[in-house]
Amino acid sequence: GAVVSQHPSWVICKSGTSVKIECRSLDFQATTMFWYRQFPKQSLMLMATSNEGSKATYEQGVEKDKFLINHASLTLSTLTVTSAHPEDSSFYICSAQTSTASYNEQFFGPGTRLTVL
Amino acid sequence: AQSVAQPEDQVNVAEGNPLTVKCTYSVSGNPYLFWYVQYPNRGLQFLLKYITGDNLVKGSYGFEAEFNKSQTSFHLKKPSALVSDSALYFCAVRDDYGQNFVFGPGTRLSVLP
Repeated sequence: GAVVSQHPSWVICKSGTSVKIECRSLDFQATTMFWYRQFPKQSLMLMATSNEGSKATYEQGVEKDKFLINHASLTLSTLTVTSAHPEDSSFYICSAQTSTASYNEQFFGPGTRLTVL
Repeated sequence: AQSVAQPEDQVNVAEGNPLTVKCTYSVSGNPYLFWYVQYPNRGLQFLLKYITGDNLVKGSYGFEAEFNKSQTSFHLKKPSALVSDSALYFCAVRDDYGQNFVFGPGTRLSVLP
């Protein structure tokens, strides 16, 4: 149980285009989903937290107009990187949680590697 | 504010030997502590967590961790390391007040045959 999928697993795009990444909780309902970015040999950097049906909460320094997050249902959240540039190339990981209780672990997707040419 | 430290970037251990990956934390309220493992080009896999109760927590793949409140530590341990345990390990903390996880910088474990 508690499986989270991401699609696509990797994507290459041209500079200036937009890319959408999907995160799905396959066997549970996720009240909260998180989006992280991971640079090579570094830890995860939280980008935003999204609760179903409400606007995402972005961490300081993350451009909300560039990284659009939509949590339309209890099983799906999407991250759209708009007008992507080479510096947006990274490993993007989502996670999901069954409730807002602090003691609940997050279940992570396998990640999406984005390369912007 | 919450913070997590993993003082070792790299830990090397011979197969069959015990391993320890260190983690110390700082939180305002009661700590909820987690260990995750990441294999190359993969997402994170949950290993174990401490919420309350017994200070020794047992998790997946034979791993365990000991919560030490006085030392604010939550070190990950395994009695006998396997080559397949080689991966990146992250400690994370959350407290009563925060919704977000704070991850440590990660420790790369290499188990040598």
